[in-house]
Amino acid sequence: QVQMQESGPGLVKPSGTLSLKCDVSGFSISSGYYWGWVRQAPGKRLEWIANIFHSGYTVSSPSLKSRVTLSVDTSTNQFSLKMTSMTAADTAIYYCARRRGPTQSSFYFDSWGQGILVTVSS
Amino acid sequence: QSVLTQPPSVSAAPGQEVSISCSGGGSNIEKNYVAWYRRVPGTAPQLLIYDTDKRASGVPDRFSGSKSGTSATLAITGLQTGDEADYFCGAWDSSLNDALFGGGTKLTVL
Repeated sequence: QVQMQESGPGLVKPSGTLSLKCDVSGFSISSGYYWGWVRQAPGKRLEWIANIFHSGYTVSSPSLKSRVTLSVDTSTNQFSLKMTSMTAADTAIYYCARRRGPTQSSFYFDSWGQGILVTVSS
Repeated sequence: QSVLTQPPSVSAAPGQEVSISCSGGGSNIEKNYVAWYRRVPGTAPQLLIYDTDKRASGVPDRFSGSKSGTSATLAITGLQTGDEADYFCGAWDSSLNDALFGGGTKLTVL
């Protein structure tokens, strides 16, 4: 049973950079699958951010691609998100999740973390 | 359309059946598979249905998924009070090259 847990600061200053980590247990990241981030701002729908393969290959949402960097550390079984130029609009619950599906057409997340609330404020 | 549209809320009595719709377009639901998730506030989202009509591991057969054209449906039979949650649909959009989620439907079991 894979378990995932987000960690990072709950408060980020405007124009700052968000750094989040996701600890994965019960499954080795290097065994495969994509590992991703999804967020939900207050009153908004879920928004996919990006996914990373254990090799480091990354696929990102076009709307966030220029601000997002993902990385993976197979030695600690963690993957990370960095998002630059944060604004109030980036205030949201950020979830890490495991993406399944052999093709882009079959796009779903079968395991999720509890989520971490990130507030952008000075 | 390039968004997935769900009704904000649905309700039904225990033991009854309810359907939740997810309306999209030719580049998302019609062309690709649909997933359904459930989320109880404060907890992690849970995958219910993937590839439009396949139940995720451990999900009872009271939950079923289907699609027709640009719309997908999640059906829940034998409703239980424990089914109260927010339900979301999701699909890849081949034109946007982006993953889409519906706005969510709050299920109330009266």
